[in-house]
Amino acid sequence: SQTIHQWPATLVQPVGSPLSLECTVEGTSNPNLYWYRQAAGRGLQLLFYSVGIGQISSEVPQNLSASRPQDRQFILSSKKLLLSDSGFYLCACRGGLAETQYFGPGTRLLVL
Amino acid sequence: GDSVTQMEGPVTLSEEAFLTINCTYTATGYPSLFWYVQYPGEGLQLLLKATKADDKGSNKGFEATYRKETTSFHLEKGSVQVSDSAVYFCALSDSGSARQLTFGSGTQLTVLP
Repeated sequence: SQTIHQWPATLVQPVGSPLSLECTVEGTSNPNLYWYRQAAGRGLQLLFYSVGIGQISSEVPQNLSASRPQDRQFILSSKKLLLSDSGFYLCACRGGLAETQYFGPGTRLLVL
Repeated sequence: GDSVTQMEGPVTLSEEAFLTINCTYTATGYPSLFWYVQYPGEGLQLLLKATKADDKGSNKGFEATYRKETTSFHLEKGSVQVSDSAVYFCALSDSGSARQLTFGSGTQLTVLP
């Protein structure tokens, strides 16, 4: 079965600083990968998804970007963080033709 | 577009009480339906799913039936435990190649001993 790793687990960053969150997946090949954000007390918002290396689809215009340099690696970045970027960031993986997305443990980001 | 409407929380129950969390959806085509659970400070875990009408998903005493006629996927458990305290999310997966998930807003459940 697939395992999803995310790091760091927690991050506190000042406004205007850059960001890099990493997600790696084990146990599956050529997965579909997703980044979600969960603001405090709210539901999940899909930010990006990727069906393959170098292929990124963005769901909402924002201060963030994503990249997929390797088959099982998905990176979320920002050049300059905003206060509104604070939240819980979740990476998810779906293998091949499977129906189900599985989630990583998440990264809690606080922008001050 | 697709949407999921979930029962507002928070919900507080005593141990061994019956649980229902309502979920209705709007979607084109034939979505798959899911319930995910999030324990404090953790990511989401798949609780159960159903991929076609009249399917019943079940896991850990929780059940939900895919009702196409009422576009619903209500979560039920006959006797809740303190360890069931968590946030529950209803979600649907579209039929496109990306299988994007659309989530409800989540329902916080607290079970008191």
